[in-house]
Amino acid sequence: GAGVSQTPSNKVTEKGKYVELRCDPISGHTALYWYRQSLGQGPEFLIYFQGTGAADDSGLPNDRFFAVRPEGSVSTLKIQRTERGDSAVYLCASSLITQDRDREQFFGPGTRLTVL
Amino acid sequence: DAKTTQPPSMDCAEGRAANLPCNHSTISGNEYVYWYRQIHSQGPQYIIHGLKNNETNEMASLIITEDRKSSTLILPHATLRDTAVYYCIVRGRPGTASKLTFGTGTRLQVTL
Repeated sequence: GAGVSQTPSNKVTEKGKYVELRCDPISGHTALYWYRQSLGQGPEFLIYFQGTGAADDSGLPNDRFFAVRPEGSVSTLKIQRTERGDSAVYLCASSLITQDRDREQFFGPGTRLTVL
Repeated sequence: DAKTTQPPSMDCAEGRAANLPCNHSTISGNEYVYWYRQIHSQGPQYIIHGLKNNETNEMASLIITEDRKSSTLILPHATLRDTAVYYCIVRGRPGTASKLTFGTGTRLQVTL
């Protein structure tokens, strides 16, 4: 079956612009996660959704970052007034949560964001 | 989540076993050890997880010390396709969805 998909695969923007990054999770997965990864570092947690609601947004660095998941499936990460320091690979993951199963998060290939 | 410590890099000859260590001395009793790997330009991939017993699946084996303060991921017959960054992560029990806290991992280079 299809895995997690993310679009676009690459995004180049100018400082100060607004960007949206899209994540399509595996069908039926209730949990969706956003991470970002800077060069040479491990992925860093941003936000997690259970269904439509953000269950943990403690990783969002500031109020320029916002994410939505209005119908409990596709999610969009929105970044306002982009800065050069926002340049990174943004990873999305999904998982199926049941009483005893959340063994693995399935990751997408990521969106590489470059802010000039 | 408890912090983990891993060597930054390791080499392994193809066909040999790769043993990747991880220290997690502050792990609490209800926390699990997870391993993910990330092949270049891809998203991380789940490998295995365990609580206190040794675990084995089609990808790898996980050996956890009796005091649970360290563990070793074993790839029994490494291939070139196993070249990747391997992350050891400590988190809550399955069924409680929670974030993964990645460190910098171990970069495993498998050579001919």
